[in-house]
Amino acid sequence: QVQLVESGGGVVQPGGSLRLSCAASGFTFSSFGMHWVRQAPGKGLEWLAFIRPDGNDKYYADSVKGRFTISRDNSKNTLYLQMNSLRAEDTAVYYCAKDLRWSHFDHWGQGTLVIVSS
Amino acid sequence: QSALTQPPSVSGSPGQSVTISCTGTSSDVGSYNRVSWYQQPPGTAPKLMIYEVTNRPSGVPDRFSGSKSGNTASLTISGLQAEDEADYYCGSYTSSTTWVFGGGTKLTVL
Repeated sequence: QVQLVESGGGVVQPGGSLRLSCAASGFTFSSFGMHWVRQAPGKGLEWLAFIRPDGNDKYYADSVKGRFTISRDNSKNTLYLQMNSLRAEDTAVYYCAKDLRWSHFDHWGQGTLVIVSS
Repeated sequence: QSALTQPPSVSGSPGQSVTISCTGTSSDVGSYNRVSWYQQPPGTAPKLMIYEVTNRPSGVPDRFSGSKSGNTASLTISGLQAEDEADYYCGSYTSSTTWVFGGGTKLTVL
């Protein structure tokens, strides 16, 4: 069965950096696009970034463009999100999600919490 | 990249039906059949309930159904059960090669 397990969350100071990881199993990772989605405390879902199966094309929400970078290592079945210049408003649970047909998110991880605070 | 518009809350009694609307624009909901719906009980990750407007993944009860007209998609839950109480989000692909979610709707089963 499909499993997505995020890690790397924690507390970071404003202006700092953090790298999230998402370990995938139960499917052919290199054949599917992958997304990052976040949810601020008590708020709704916000799509952040998408990467194609081969990693050659990446797409970002305006809110994180230029600060966050999505990447993947198909040899390790792992998705990453490098987050730089973090702000208080980046505090959220970050989910990785598997894409299907550039349409929807058919499997989600359990999320990892990032807190940006001094 | 404005969020899709959903009502903040809906409610219904067990056995009744409720419908949650999701209004977008001609750049997202209106142009693509790539609308999906997610269920999120408190403290859990979202779960896919409807994809490509009307399709149910394996394991999702047929009490859940989706539709679309113009720029508005809808999720209908018939025969409400207590276990259906959760937050529901719609999502859509957009013409900018991005994805957008609705603000979420809290379903209360009375």
